[in-house]
Amino acid sequence: AQTVTQSQPEMSVQEAETVTLSCTYDTSESDYYLFWYKQPPSRQMILVIRQEAYKQQNATENRFSVNFQKAAKSFSLKISDSQLGDAAMYFCAYRRLMEYGNKLVFGAGTILRVKS
Amino acid sequence: ETGVTQSPTHLIKTRGQQVTLRCSSQSGHNTVSWYQQALGQGPQFIFQYYREEENGRGNFPPRFSGLQFPNYSSELNVNALELDDSALYLCASSLAGPPRGAKNIQYFGAGTRLSVL
Repeated sequence: AQTVTQSQPEMSVQEAETVTLSCTYDTSESDYYLFWYKQPPSRQMILVIRQEAYKQQNATENRFSVNFQKAAKSFSLKISDSQLGDAAMYFCAYRRLMEYGNKLVFGAGTILRVKS
Repeated sequence: ETGVTQSPTHLIKTRGQQVTLRCSSQSGHNTVSWYQQALGQGPQFIFQYYREEENGRGNFPPRFSGLQFPNYSSELNVNALELDDSALYLCASSLAGPPRGAKNIQYFGAGTRLSVL
C-alpha cells in the first residue's frame, strides 16, 4: 500500500520570504501523480500544484514550485514571496496513475503560519 | 469556489444513530469520492462512485454506504454511529477520463463536520 509522510507538523515563515514543505512517499509503482493541496480555515481543499511522475521537469504554478526527486521518493513544495493568504494546512497526496478512479492517499499535513 | 457543495455544514448526532450527508457535484462531473478527515489528520478515502456504481472502497466497515444519483449528486450514509466517526467528511467530484487526463483532478467541497456524542 502507498503511504505519504509529512514530517513537519508545523512551519512558520515571514511574509515575503520563502518556505519549503517536505513530503516523502512510498510506492512500488513507476507512474503516478503527486499533489499539494491547501486547506484554509474554510475547510475547502484547494489544489495548489500537481506533478506527473513520468515528467522529470518540476511543476511550477506562479509562486509555488516543487522539487520532485523520484529516486528518493521526495516531493517538496516551495512557496516564494509568502503572503498572509498562504497560511493554511498543506497536504501532500498521491494517486496511482493506472487505477480507474481517483483515490488520493494523503499525508498528515503541515500547518503553515505566515508572520507579518 | 469549486462548485462542489455539501450539506449540512455541521451535524450533531448521538451514538447508535444514523446520518446522511449530501454532496452536489460540480457541473459536468460524473465521479464522486468521499473522504473522512479526523481532527489534525489527513483525509482518508472512504469510497468512490462512478455512474451510480461504487468502484473503489477504502478500509471502512459496511455501515458506511453511499449512493450516487443520475444527476451525479451523492449521499454518504453512516449507520450505528460510533464516537470515532466524529470527523470532517469531504466530498470530491471529478470527470473520469484517461489516466493521464487533467480531467481526473478532484475538486473538493467544504465538508460536513459531524460530531457524535
